[in-house]
Amino acid sequence: NAGVTQTPKFQVLKTGQSMTLQCAQDMNHNSMYWYRQDPGMGLRLIYYSASEGTTDKGEVPNGYNVSRLNKREFSLRLESAAPSQTSVYFCASSEILGMNTEAFFGQGTRLTVV
Amino acid sequence: AQSVTQPDIHITVSEGASLELRCNYSYGATPYLFWYVQSPGQGLQLLLKYFSGDTLVQGIKGFEAEFKRSQSSFNLRKPSVHWSDAAEYFCAVGATSYDKVIFGPGTSLSVIP
Repeated sequence: NAGVTQTPKFQVLKTGQSMTLQCAQDMNHNSMYWYRQDPGMGLRLIYYSASEGTTDKGEVPNGYNVSRLNKREFSLRLESAAPSQTSVYFCASSEILGMNTEAFFGQGTRLTVV
Repeated sequence: AQSVTQPDIHITVSEGASLELRCNYSYGATPYLFWYVQSPGQGLQLLLKYFSGDTLVQGIKGFEAEFKRSQSSFNLRKPSVHWSDAAEYFCAVGATSYDKVIFGPGTSLSVIP
């Protein structure tokens, strides 16, 4: 039972490069999320997908795009990486968007932009 | 404005000692309250949550938390800490849906043998 799987686990980019972070869940969840974690700031929501076929902006969407490829997969794309995007990125999923379910998190992707 | 504060950035306790991690929130209504733990190199794992009812909530790994409405607090406690409890702990609050959940800045726990 893998849960939420993120790839890659580590990545170093040069400023201006692009990359896609992959996330897949095997729990048949409808809702998926991308967060970034920065020291002293907790987790901040970048984008989320309430259900297959929908995506919405979170608190800090600038510089990112997302794709809900199917019910299992939700990718995060950095088109032109900037040093300010150095962070740890977490993908999460929940059965539905509502609060009466539990959210499950992946192990994170540590991204450094130089 | 809605916010979550965790006053202690870092706490160090001896193994076997009791633990209390503080969480205070500012929210328009009685929110859903969560505590998550992040072990080194791992994602976040839910320790416990409060939705309604009994204000003392039991969670996994021997943790409990108490909701105090008058103090807008949801402090996490454990009577006897184990070395494996060393981790980052996040308090979170929300009301209607996960896209509105606010996470606190986290408290890093170190455990001395």
